[in-house]
Amino acid sequence: DIQMTQSPSSLSASVGDRVTITCQASQVISKYVNWYQHKPGKAPKFLIYDASKLETGVPSRFSGSGSGTDFTLTISSLQPEDVATYYCQQYDDLPFTFGPGTSVDIK
Amino acid sequence: EVQLVESGGGLVQPGRSLRLSCAASGFTFGDYAMHWVRQAPGKGLEWVSGIRSNSGNTGYADSVKGRFTISRDNTKNTLYLQMHSLRGDDTALYYCAKDMGSTSLAPSLDFWGQGTLVTVSS
Repeated sequence: DIQMTQSPSSLSASVGDRVTITCQASQVISKYVNWYQHKPGKAPKFLIYDASKLETGVPSRFSGSGSGTDFTLTISSLQPEDVATYYCQQYDDLPFTFGPGTSVDIK
Repeated sequence: EVQLVESGGGLVQPGRSLRLSCAASGFTFGDYAMHWVRQAPGKGLEWVSGIRSNSGNTGYADSVKGRFTISRDNTKNTLYLQMHSLRGDDTALYYCAKDMGSTSLAPSLDFWGQGTLVTVSS
């Protein structure tokens, strides 16, 4: 199975800061990574697919990059509504796996 | 507006069975693959199972293979998850999720329901 790791596991940043979350796959998975945002008590929200394509309606301060085994989610200017846990997910091969999540809050 | 409403969760004893349902509306259900994803208390997201739009192909996580069966009824716009031989580590909030596409099991989950809670305990 393909294992996905994320770092950091949690972070605290100020409003307006640039935030970067990394995700690493245990083997090469081309560009087959999605990113999701999950707030407590809410349904997860789809942010990015194919590693770097922004889902319709997602604010442009979110961006994704990477290919192969290393991927990044960037929030260019952190906003209070961005407090959430962020998950990467690979869809290169069964079973499809999520990373353990990165919790983001406001300092 | 896309809506996914899960039902069928509850408290069940270890070893028993349960069937979850997900009623879909706001899109052409039969055109899209569908998936189940779960979140155990205090844990992260885990993909459980997926099914292509025409039910022609299904996939399962190793942890549920042989115990869970995913199915769909495109005439009723409903997704199902039949769960057998339930264990304590199946305790989780189970989400139904719509895929962006139809022909691949590879999940890109653009809409999610609010989830239904399954608790496995004696």
